[in-house]
Formats: sequence, structure tokens, C-alpha cells
Amino acid sequence: DIVMTQSPDSLAVSLGERATINCKSSQSVLHSSKNKNYLAWYQQKPGQPPKLLIDWASTRESGVPDRFSGSGSGTDFTLTISSLQAEDVAVYYCQQYYSTPLTFGQGTKLEI
Amino acid sequence: QLQLQESGPGLVKPSETLSLTCTVSTGSVRSTSYYWGWIRQPPEKRLEWIGNVYYTGSTYYNPSLTSRVTISVDTSKNQFSLRLNSVTAADTAIYYCARLTMGIDMKLRYFDLWGRGTLVTVSS
Repeated sequence: DIVMTQSPDSLAVSLGERATINCKSSQSVLHSSKNKNYLAWYQQKPGQPPKLLIDWASTRESGVPDRFSGSGSGTDFTLTISSLQAEDVAVYYCQQYYSTPLTFGQGTKLEI
Repeated sequence: QLQLQESGPGLVKPSETLSLTCTVSTGSVRSTSYYWGWIRQPPEKRLEWIGNVYYTGSTYYNPSLTSRVTISVDTSKNQFSLRLNSVTAADTAIYYCARLTMGIDMKLRYFDLWGRGTLVTVSS
């Protein structure tokens, strides 16, 4: 199984400041022939299901604010919120879909 | 927009079978572009993929659960279901149903729509 490890476990950032969440996979999730990273990011607000933010490591879903961006390749990935808003308080998860079983990171709790 | 809704008992006794159903509205489980999956989230733990089903009935399961899990689809009711046998307290979790995207090679991708989730507690 591919183990996904996020850092930090929790993070407090001031409104308007940048938030950075890291995700590391135990093996590469880059499909070399397709040059695509099989990684997604989700946001889970309290009492709600996860919401897909980013797929293919850097492709924002429709309707996701452009302050959210994803980067990285191979085994190391980053979710960045460029200017934190109050509504961004949530737990963020990464997920690999390079191989089964599909696996998630342990989550990073983002607070103001 | 397509919506998913989980239903089923919120309390199951140890050693018994957990059964949940996901109803798909404003959309069809007969889609050739998606799988239909189950994910769970135990208290204070990470999300865990349980498995998924295609409208034809073909399934993928997490190897850690494959001996106890069955996922099926009922296209006439626009529903898919989860059965988990021989439950223990470790199966206590919020259970989500979700739509799982697939590639042209039919490989599993990411979950683009989720139900609201239902808490299932295993206790006598």
C-alpha cells in the first residue's frame, strides 16, 4: 500500500496570510509515460463530507477559489492557500490514486 | 446536481452485519463514466477506502476488508449498497458513499461527489 503522510498535523495561520500543507507518498505517484501525478486534495469542514479541491496534483476543480493551488511531483506535494479566509478553516486531506488500495493522508487541521 | 444519501441502522451489534444503502438522485448509477464507492472515517482517524462498484456489478475492494465486505448495485432503484460482516468496535465510523471518477482505462481515480455520511456505532 502507498502510505500518505501529511505535515503538519495542525496549523494556525492569520487571516490573509499564506497556509502551506505538505503531503508525502511512500512511493512515487507520478505516471511517467503520462507525466501525471495521481494525487488529489480534499477539504472537510466540520460536520460536512470532504469536498474535492484539486486533482492531478495541481488542477483546481470548478468553483474552487484560485487562492487554492497544488504543486509537487513524484512523492512530495503541497497545497497552498495564498491568502487565508475565515471559511477555509477545515481539515485537508491528500489522496493517491496511483494504485489500489486508494489511500488518504491523516489530515491537516487548519485554524485561524 | 447529482446527490447521494446514505441510509441504514446507526447501531449494530458486534459480530453482526452492517448494511447501508446509498440512493443516487438527479443522476443515474448506470453512468459509464463513474464507479460508486464507500469510504469510512473512524473517530479521530484518517479516511479509509472500503471499495466500489460499477453499474455492471463489477467491484473493487480494499484488501484489508475484502473478506468481510460486499458492495452491490441496484440499477432499478438507482442505489448501491454496502454489507460488512462480523463487525467489531473497530468498525465504528462515519460511512460515506461517493462517486468515484475513472480513467479511460477504467482505473480508479478520485471522489468528486460525496454523501453527507452516516455514523454507524458497533456496540452491544
